[in-house]
Amino acid sequence: EAGVTQSPTHLIKTRGQQATLRCSPISGHTSVYWYQQALGLGLQFLLWYDEGEERNRGNFPPRFSGRQFPNYSSELNVNALELEDSALYLCASSSGTGPTGELFFGEGSRLTVL
Amino acid sequence: DQQVKQNSPSLSVQEGRISILNCDYTNSMFDYFLWYKKYPAEGPTFLISISSIKDKNEDGRFTVFLNKSAKHLSLHIVPSQPGDSAVYFCAASAQNTDKLIFGTGTRLQVFP
Repeated sequence: EAGVTQSPTHLIKTRGQQATLRCSPISGHTSVYWYQQALGLGLQFLLWYDEGEERNRGNFPPRFSGRQFPNYSSELNVNALELEDSALYLCASSSGTGPTGELFFGEGSRLTVL
Repeated sequence: DQQVKQNSPSLSVQEGRISILNCDYTNSMFDYFLWYKKYPAEGPTFLISISSIKDKNEDGRFTVFLNKSAKHLSLHIVPSQPGDSAVYFCAASAQNTDKLIFGTGTRLQVFP
């Protein structure tokens, strides 16, 4: 069974540009979570999608947005990139609602903003 | 404000010995705790969890202890193996919320 897949693996952008990251959850999982792991910080919760709806978001500015498609895959968009957006972005999926159970993570997309 | 803290960024343990990874939290509403392990270039994988109604949960070589009064939990790995070398994240959530709050991680190195 395929796990959570993310693309691209690496992405290099310059300040002010936009970045789009993609995530495909495990088949049958309807919930997708996005996390940011910046240097020296723990995994920071970004967004939670379930059944196509945004259920909750973390303490990030509105330039971080996303969506979930009918096939439950998801996209994270970061507009007006800033240097501090450089981080590993992890996507996770689960079959239940809420992350108190097991989350399955992808390998991440490393975004570098120059 | 870091609600979940892993104050030791790294830990080095000899193979066969016990590894103890610590985690402190500040939010008394947290009632579910998890440990994740992360190898380089991979996403974190779930390791073990514990509910606040328990003070211990064991799964093979891994045991998690929860001290609610001290707002402290620890992960014990016995015996430690070189394949355990990874970054370990502690995470917590509060009832009826959907957010998992992660610590900053502890890098465990198990040497022969």
